[in-house]
Amino acid sequence: AQTVTQSQPEMSVQEAETVTLSCTYDTSENNYYLFWYKQPPSRQMILVIRQEAYKQQNATENRFSVNFQKAAKSFSLKISDSQLGDTAMYFCAFESGGYQKVTFGTGTKLQVIP
Amino acid sequence: NAGVTQTPKFQVLKTGQSMTLQCAQDMNHEYMSWYRQDPGMGLRLIHYSVGAGITDQGEVPNGYNVSRSTTEDFPLRLLSAAPSQTSVYFCASIADNSYEQYFGPGTRLTVT
Repeated sequence: AQTVTQSQPEMSVQEAETVTLSCTYDTSENNYYLFWYKQPPSRQMILVIRQEAYKQQNATENRFSVNFQKAAKSFSLKISDSQLGDTAMYFCAFESGGYQKVTFGTGTKLQVIP
Repeated sequence: NAGVTQTPKFQVLKTGQSMTLQCAQDMNHEYMSWYRQDPGMGLRLIHYSVGAGITDQGEVPNGYNVSRSTTEDFPLRLLSAAPSQTSVYFCASIADNSYEQYFGPGTRLTVT
């Protein structure tokens, strides 16, 4: 069974600074997908960024980028130029493809301080 | 497109009552799933479906039933509510090619 670990329950960052959220996972699969989802106080889950394991290049989406280390089974999220609207819970998720079950981490609560 | 819709948004039940949480999507996704979210535990998979007529259990299926008679709808039934089922419930569907999950707005359920 796959496991996803987010070791930082809470983090804070000053507005305009950079913050990195950690995620590690355990799997015996070779092809899989990794995701970061954001859950603001509105409760709506929103996809932030995705990474296919077969791609060596790290995914980027505007101010959000990942550091994907396949051998180390690590998938961290970097948020640059943090904004107040980035305040949210962030969940790392693993999906092994072929409509297998998705496994979520326990989340990191990020607070952006003005 | 409305995406994934869930009703109701809030619900209070007494122990032993039954109810159905509704979920619908208009994106023609084959894969749908139900999660519960509890503090400090992330999202845990209750049941999922890979297409109409096909369902399977997730990590925490006890006390819940599902059915999938159409591609669009995936209701979750609580058979006899218990306080341990107090949680926020999310329905989601997965895009066929990207594996991105689209979530509904959630239902906050309280069982007293």
